[in-house]
Amino acid sequence: AQSVSQHNHHVILSEAASLELGCNYSYGGTVNLFWYVQYPGQHLQLLLKYFSGDPLVKGIKGFEAEFIKSKFSFNLRKPSVQWSDTAEYFCAVRLSGNTGKLIFGQGTTLQVKP
Amino acid sequence: GAGVSQTPSNKVTEKGKYVELRCDPISGHTALYWYRQSLGQGPEFLIYFQGTGAADDSGLPNDRFFAVRPEGSVSTLKIQRTERGDSAVYLCASSQGRAGELFFGEGSRLTVL
Repeated sequence: AQSVSQHNHHVILSEAASLELGCNYSYGGTVNLFWYVQYPGQHLQLLLKYFSGDPLVKGIKGFEAEFIKSKFSFNLRKPSVQWSDTAEYFCAVRLSGNTGKLIFGQGTTLQVKP
Repeated sequence: GAGVSQTPSNKVTEKGKYVELRCDPISGHTALYWYRQSLGQGPEFLIYFQGTGAADDSGLPNDRFFAVRPEGSVSTLKIQRTERGDSAVYLCASSQGRAGELFFGEGSRLTVL
């Protein structure tokens, strides 16, 4: 069965530190890739998405992610985190030709210390 | 409204009772999804509607769970004979077609005592 793995369950960083959250998926076909964020008490919001083209995609709030097809990975990065980035981050995959449903990873909780 | 609306935001019920959770998607969005999120986990797919029909219900855990979308807009997730293991946040999302970005509601937190 298709799955999405996020290897970091809980990350603690100080402000201005660099961030990289790992995401790997298991599916050999064409995929669309997403990162969603859930701030405390809020609903899931889209950070960025990859459908095709340039594998380095930029999202909101200074986040970016790189799709590496050979590694089945879509890691999320930010050069300098802020306290307001404290949230839960979810990687998700949509299989091309599928019904459109997203398959989510288990999430990574990011805590940024001021 | 501007976003996906879910009601109730919180529901506490007793084991064995029947529960309905409602989702009002973004106007004009043809695709609607239900997910379930347990503590410390990512959202787990339940069912997907394209218009009025359930195009994919492969995520429904058993026949106690059922969802409808009779007019292609509002959807209701129905859970019969609730069990303690059904306790979770039930999320609804909508999109413009199956290839569009999913917009999520704030969820309905279900607690089964």
